[in-house]
Amino acid sequence: QKEVEQNSGPLSVPEGAIASLNCTYSDRGSQSFFWYRQYSGKSPELIMSIYSNGDKEDGRFTAQLNKASQYVSLLIRDSQPSDSATYLCAVTPASGGSYIPTFGRGTSLIVHP
Amino acid sequence: GAVVSQHPSRVICKSGTSVKIECRSLDFQATTMFWYRQFPKKSLMLMATSNEGSKATYEQGVEKDKFLINHASLTLSTLTVTSAHPEDSSFYICSARKGQGPLEQYFGPGTRLTVT
Repeated sequence: QKEVEQNSGPLSVPEGAIASLNCTYSDRGSQSFFWYRQYSGKSPELIMSIYSNGDKEDGRFTAQLNKASQYVSLLIRDSQPSDSATYLCAVTPASGGSYIPTFGRGTSLIVHP
Repeated sequence: GAVVSQHPSRVICKSGTSVKIECRSLDFQATTMFWYRQFPKKSLMLMATSNEGSKATYEQGVEKDKFLINHASLTLSTLTVTSAHPEDSSFYICSARKGQGPLEQYFGPGTRLTVT
């Protein structure tokens, strides 16, 4: 069974700090990786997608992928209280027809002033 | 952009009635749509995957006769909760994906269903 693991947290960081969120996955052949942000009572919102090893930066967000170690991380620089949310990692398998993503349970991030 | 809408955003219905939730991709054609359910403070649970013009594929444990899914066009999928019961009260979220393959999916704003 394909699994995506995230520490549920909460991860608490001070405003302005770097928040580091981690995700590991079991399917070695996975090829697509996504980070979503979900505010309480709202639906998930896509933040980043990453497909190849290395770093991908978008504004204050950096996704890092290491397929050999089967982990993907999300760094949030200059964290703001508005970044406080649950961050979901999603991984899509290498094959399987519908490419159904598997979601982690999410990490709760709290950015305190 | 990639905008997905859902309607209604919130619905309250009586036990035994049916409720239809619509999911639309507004600015792209969605060959695949997903329906999720999320209970308070719990993780997303995939209910079913639907491809335009074909029958939905339901996850294990999801009753296909209770949760009817119709993906009638490339921009519209509907979920009908039939004979709803209080335990069906939840946050139902759809998502849509452009084209084929392991691409990003975009979520609708969700529908909060309360069955009394």
